[in-house]
Amino acid sequence: EDQVTQSPEALRLQEGESSSLNCSYTVSGLRGLFWYRQDPGKGPEFLFTLYSAGEEKEKERLKATLTKKESFLHITAPKPEDSATYLCAVQAANTGNQFYFGTGTSLTVIP
Amino acid sequence: ETGVTQSPTHLIKTRGQQVTLRCSSQSGHNTVSWYQQALGQGPQFIFQYYREEENGRGNFPPRFSGLQFPNYSSELNVNALELDDSALYLCASSRTGSGEQYFGPGTRLTVT
Repeated sequence: EDQVTQSPEALRLQEGESSSLNCSYTVSGLRGLFWYRQDPGKGPEFLFTLYSAGEEKEKERLKATLTKKESFLHITAPKPEDSATYLCAVQAANTGNQFYFGTGTSLTVIP
Repeated sequence: ETGVTQSPTHLIKTRGQQVTLRCSSQSGHNTVSWYQQALGQGPQFIFQYYREEENGRGNFPPRFSGLQFPNYSSELNVNALELDDSALYLCASSRTGSGEQYFGPGTRLTVT
């Protein structure tokens, strides 16, 4: 069964304290892995798409990486405005139009 | 470029009633997906529409149904509402063949 697991569930960081969020997945043929940011009461905001192991994408203080079993979202020198829930989703080859989301990591950055 | 919009923002319904939620796609996008997000959970895929036809469905009963119109806007209909249907309903649009989905702000449905 296709599955996505994110860890930790919640993370509190001091401003400037770098860390990583994990997304592990088991799917029958990965078509794509997606990272989103979601603020309370709002829809998810698209961040990155990764397609193959070894691929990396960067945007400001965020960097996403992908292996055959997991993806990491690295946050470098975070700021309070980076506080949000970060969601990971996968699209599997055998269920082409269906996306499986993890439950997210709630990040709080303390000034 | 206009983003994804959804209406209404909030809705309160009684168990057993029916509800219709609406979504307008981002400009240039022809595929629409609907998701249900319970509190503290990730979005759960309901179904996807492309060229006005259902193009994939998650594990939701038939009382969840949808429509897509020629202008790519979409509706989600839920019949015989249950208490567990209370959630944030999200619409996402994308271009054909692209996995990059852009979400609307959602409709918060409360069933009492």
